[in-house]
Amino acid sequence: EADIYQTPRYLVIGTGKKITLECSQTMGHDKMYWYQQDPGMELHLIHYSYGVNSTEKGDLSSESTVSRIRTEHFPLTLESARPSHTSQYLCASSDYIHGEKLFFGSGTQLSVL
Amino acid sequence: EDKVVQSPLSLVVHEGDTVTLNCSYEVTNFRSLLWYKQEKKAPTFLFMLTSSGIEKKSGRLSSILDKKELFSILNITATQTGDSAVYLCAVNYGGSQGNLIFGKGTKLSVKP
Repeated sequence: EADIYQTPRYLVIGTGKKITLECSQTMGHDKMYWYQQDPGMELHLIHYSYGVNSTEKGDLSSESTVSRIRTEHFPLTLESARPSHTSQYLCASSDYIHGEKLFFGSGTQLSVL
Repeated sequence: EDKVVQSPLSLVVHEGDTVTLNCSYEVTNFRSLLWYKQEKKAPTFLFMLTSSGIEKKSGRLSSILDKKELFSILNITATQTGDSAVYLCAVNYGGSQGNLIFGKGTKLSVKP
């Protein structure tokens, strides 16, 4: 079944650690996105990609980085986690015809102590 | 500054009630408005509206867009406990396709 997967679902980690949040989709979509969401707040776009080897920063400044080496895989990396990075991170994908119709993963809740 | 404002921010109703959720927007280069339902973590797509005055309907949910007054409403009739969720409104503001501005959402709680 076509879907979009995020791992881990929950991550508690100490300050200074390097982390990678995984996102994979089997939808065959070219476009992929990372959104950040704090409780009761809007989703904010932090990164997006239109295809392999294409990555762009979103509207919200983020210290994280992304890569797109394979169409189906769009991992997000924090080189040195800080408490200010504590948030929910949502991955999404869409096709070219209906680019704004996003399909979301279940999210990763990151807590940095 | 582009923005999307949803109201109310939270709402508590009883099963069987009808609710109306509001979304107003101020964006340049409007392309479309979308509604998502967020249960637990993953938002799921409900509707996309591009033309004014044309109602989109799916079961007990319906939505309409007014491009002159810059708002949209989402109606849910005969609410059920399974409708409890956060309903997100988002606007595609042009720019790079797929880039959306989201509102803060309306948290709907349906009591039995």
